[in-house]
Amino acid sequence: DIQMTQSPSSLSASVGDRVTITCRASQTISSYLNWYQQKPGKAPKLLISAASSLQSGVPSRFSGSGSGTEFSLTISSLQPEDSATYYCQQSYRFPPTFGQGTRLEIK
Amino acid sequence: QITLKESGPTLVKPTQTLTLTCTFSGFSLNSRGVGVGWIRQPPGKALEWLALIYWNDDKRYSPSLKSRLTIAKDTSKNQVVLTMTNMDPVDTATYYCAHSLQYFDWIFAHWGQGTLVTVSS
Repeated sequence: DIQMTQSPSSLSASVGDRVTITCRASQTISSYLNWYQQKPGKAPKLLISAASSLQSGVPSRFSGSGSGTEFSLTISSLQPEDSATYYCQQSYRFPPTFGQGTRLEIK
Repeated sequence: QITLKESGPTLVKPTQTLTLTCTFSGFSLNSRGVGVGWIRQPPGKALEWLALIYWNDDKRYSPSLKSRLTIAKDTSKNQVVLTMTNMDPVDTATYYCAHSLQYFDWIFAHWGQGTLVTVSS
């Protein structure tokens, strides 16, 4: 299985900050990388697919980049409602696998 | 719009078999490419993909759990059923079903609310 490793595991930032979360794959996955946001007690929500394709309705402050083995999710100006856990997931090779998550807290 | 909802027992005993049902609307499992999958999340832990069934009855299972899982669909009822045998306390988790739009794209754009299953005697 392809292992997905996220960093950091948690972070705390202030409203208006620029925040970046990194995801690393154990082997190349081209651009088959997706990002999900999960708020406490809720199901994950797909934010970005194919490394950089923003899903409909997702605020433009979210962006994704990367290819191969290194990927990042960036929030350009952090908002209070962005407090959540973020997961990356590879869809390059069966079975699909998720990162361990990054918990983002608002200071 | 697409909705999915999981149902099933909230408590099962060790060694028992778990049966979960995903009831969906807003799409058809007769449509080419469409699939419904199951993903679980132990409390405070990460997501783990379990199984997926496609419109053509192609079924895929997590290699680590394949011997314990069975997935099936009932297109007339818009339902997908997952069974997991020989339940253990480590299987305590929230179980989600999710919609996959394209054959083998492994992208889950719509999820159910999840159902918490506790395994305890």
